[in-house]
Amino acid sequence: SQTIHQWPATLVQPVGSPLSLECTVEGTSNPNLYWYRQAAGRGLQLLFYSVGIGQISSEVPQNLSASRPQDRQFILSSKKLLLSDSGFYLCAWRSGPGKSYNSPLHFGNGTRLTVT
Amino acid sequence: QQQVKQSPQSLIVQKGGISIINCAYENTAFDYFPWYQQFPGKGPALLIAIRPDVSEKKEGRFTISFNKSAKQFSLHIMDSQPGDSATYFCAASRNSNSGYALNFGKGTSLLVTP
Repeated sequence: SQTIHQWPATLVQPVGSPLSLECTVEGTSNPNLYWYRQAAGRGLQLLFYSVGIGQISSEVPQNLSASRPQDRQFILSSKKLLLSDSGFYLCAWRSGPGKSYNSPLHFGNGTRLTVT
Repeated sequence: QQQVKQSPQSLIVQKGGISIINCAYENTAFDYFPWYQQFPGKGPALLIAIRPDVSEKKEGRFTISFNKSAKQFSLHIMDSQPGDSATYFCAASRNSNSGYALNFGKGTSLLVTP
């Protein structure tokens, strides 16, 4: 069966420090991968998606970046965190191209990031 | 801009009652409409989904009603239980080159009282 791992679960970082959040998926190949951010009252905001290794699309301009160094690995990074980067970050995957686009989106359990 | 608008923001229902959450969209290219359920500290999980070629889909106590002409869809939770207390998100996506990403509503916090 497929599983998605996301870490760390919680993180407290000072303003201006770097960030690296990692997500890995097991039990599937060539998935579409996504980073969402959830802020109170703002729902789930799509940040980045990837349809293949090295292919990253950004939905929202900001000081965050994403990378996909391996098929089932997705990393969210920042060189210098801002206070406004605080939030709940969720990694997700769904079946990739060639499969039903109605396949469910599977979320990890998220990382609660607090920038102080 | 918010492509899927969801209401209400919060909802309190007594045990055994019906919970109703509504969503509206503008993009007529959307062709997949799922609902997700999220418990505190967890990621959202798919609850039920519908495509626009049907007007209603029922799974147990959960029903999606879909009105294509009005560009609206809603979630009905029958015989609501305290265990249904969670945040519910509606979403929509289309078959496109945007990685089939889901566009979510802002969520509804449901509290079912005993």
